[in-house]
Amino acid sequence: NAGVMQNPRHLVRRRGQEARLRCSPMKGHSHVYWYRQLPEEGLKFMVYLQKENIIDESGMPKERFSAEFPKEGPSILRIQQVVRGDSAAYFCASSPPRGDTQYFGPGTRLTVL
Amino acid sequence: DAKTTQPPSMDCAEGRAANLPCNHSTISGNEYVYWYRQIHSQGPQYIIHGLKNNETNEMASLIITEDRKSSTLILPHATLRDTAVYYCIVRMEYGNKLVFGAGTILRVKS
Repeated sequence: NAGVMQNPRHLVRRRGQEARLRCSPMKGHSHVYWYRQLPEEGLKFMVYLQKENIIDESGMPKERFSAEFPKEGPSILRIQQVVRGDSAAYFCASSPPRGDTQYFGPGTRLTVL
Repeated sequence: DAKTTQPPSMDCAEGRAANLPCNHSTISGNEYVYWYRQIHSQGPQYIIHGLKNNETNEMASLIITEDRKSSTLILPHATLRDTAVYYCIVRMEYGNKLVFGAGTILRVKS
């Protein structure tokens, strides 16, 4: 059973560009969570999604950030007009229905030049 | 979710048991204790979780005190590959987000 997949693993963007991070949950998992880890800091929750629904976005910055988990395909975390402060590791986790144990992917490391 | 307190760092000799403590004095009756670890900059890895009974799996054992105000994660035979940051997290089993603290940096030394 494949684990949580994230791609790309490394992403370089220039200031003002858009970044799209993809997360494919484990088979049978319908809940997806996104976390961000800034350099030398801890992991912070961003958003919790189920298929076609955002359940909790209390950790999402108010502007430029959005997330979706469509009926078909991976979950997407989208960052518009990236700034240097967006440089971080972004981790996705998934869990089966009823929000049980979360399993994490390897992360996407975003570097903004 | 209840707050947890962990020592910032610990050392352990290779081959010996690593005992990582966690205090969670404000835990409520329906909250579970979860342990994750993060090796270098990899994605966090689930280790174990429990409610009030001691738990054991292929990776570790979790000992929860009778009053549930503290717990200990035990790695029975630590190896160099167990060097990581270990996070103790309290949450409802069917809650949503995980709240990560600073964790304990475990250094396993040969």
